[in-house]
Amino acid sequence: DAKTTQPPSMDCAEGRAANLPCNHSTISGNEYVYWYRQIHSQGPQYIIHGLKNNETNEMASLIITEDRKSSTLILPHATLRDTAVYYCIARNTGKLIFGQGTTLQVKP
Amino acid sequence: GAGVSQSPRYKVAKRGQDVALRCDPISGHVSLFWYQQALGQGPEFLTYFQNEAQLDKSGLPSDRFFAERPEGSVSTLKIQRTQQEDSAVYLCASSLRTSGERAYNEQFFGPGTRLTVL
Repeated sequence: DAKTTQPPSMDCAEGRAANLPCNHSTISGNEYVYWYRQIHSQGPQYIIHGLKNNETNEMASLIITEDRKSSTLILPHATLRDTAVYYCIARNTGKLIFGQGTTLQVKP
Repeated sequence: GAGVSQSPRYKVAKRGQDVALRCDPISGHVSLFWYQQALGQGPEFLTYFQNEAQLDKSGLPSDRFFAERPEGSVSTLKIQRTQQEDSAVYLCASSLRTSGERAYNEQFFGPGTRLTVL
């Protein structure tokens, strides 16, 4: 599975959009980009995933660059409950390879 | 419906003791995964089952770690002769299957078992 690189931490004001970047420059053509988050003391939670096209669901939007070497997770209106560690994962097998993730702190 | 459940939620063991951690996946989920999460780190893959077959155990750190899923539903992760470095949160996840079909690839995680080895 491709290695991903994320900033270790980010802050966001409550009610504003949170844009979390991820680099996956060695991603191969059949690897999907997945995002999970982990709220303190809970198990990780699936957010969204995509292959080439941008994706949107009730939780977030995923923007993947045309060359697929990077992506951005967008939380359109961050709330305090969105404070968590966000993991970007590139995979084509069952197992998830987590990195260190980005700790997003949403502030009032 | 019920999600993935794990028991116990907390376990304290003395060094050298054997422990058994249980995972109840979502009913009907074919695939089951175990991960280990050390303090301040992301989860690390341990092993994977498809039904009762253990298809990947490449992440198990030593032969003291053993996992089973004899009837293709409940799984048990056993750690023999526990060491202090085994202290971590052990996470279980299940998914419908692990094909490339996007609808079936989401993994649902349990709350984890926090193991502390003294």
